[in-house]
Amino acid sequence: GQNIDQPTEMTATEGAIVQINCTYQTSGFNGLFWYQQHAGEAPTFLSYNVLDGLEEKGRFSSFLSRSKGYSYLLLKELQMKDSASYLCAVVDSNYQLIWGAGTKLIIKP
Amino acid sequence: GAVVSQHPSWVICKSGTSVKIECRSLDFQATTMFWYRQFPKQSLMLMATSNEGSKATYEQGVEKDKFLINHASLTLSTLTVTSAHPEDSSFYICSARDLGTSYNEQFFGPGTRLTVL
Repeated sequence: GQNIDQPTEMTATEGAIVQINCTYQTSGFNGLFWYQQHAGEAPTFLSYNVLDGLEEKGRFSSFLSRSKGYSYLLLKELQMKDSASYLCAVVDSNYQLIWGAGTKLIIKP
Repeated sequence: GAVVSQHPSWVICKSGTSVKIECRSLDFQATTMFWYRQFPKQSLMLMATSNEGSKATYEQGVEKDKFLINHASLTLSTLTVTSAHPEDSSFYICSARDLGTSYNEQFFGPGTRLTVL
């Protein structure tokens, strides 16, 4: 079966750095997305990785290792508004998005 | 660019009635749209994949006669929840894939919160 694993919940301090991991086992791979979702709102796009390595975009970076079936989202200089759920999603061989259950990130002052 | 709208944003209805939710891609063409449902504190659950001009593909466990999907044009898909019941109360989100992008990003609508009394 297809499986995406990410921690259920993480807590971090304002101004700090947090890394949210995602491991996947899917039938084929055509890229990995990270989305941010605030409570009661739809997901918003953060990043897309299809090749190995680190993609940096401002305070957010995303890393991918296809051989390990592993990705992480790195958030720097955390702000209170970063409190949200972070969803990892993999595009499988049929170009369908397989979603992880999401990681709820709690930012404390 | 790549904006997806949904209407209505929220709806409250009586049990047994039907509710139609519209999903529109405003500035791009979308041959494929996706309908998701999300219960509180849970992740997105794909209900069906909607392809323009053809029948939708439903995920296992989703009743196609209860959740009617129509994708009549490249910019509009509709989801009709027929004979709604309280257990259908949920957050319904659509997304659309932009033909013009080289990768497989889905752009999400703002969601529709359905409450069935």
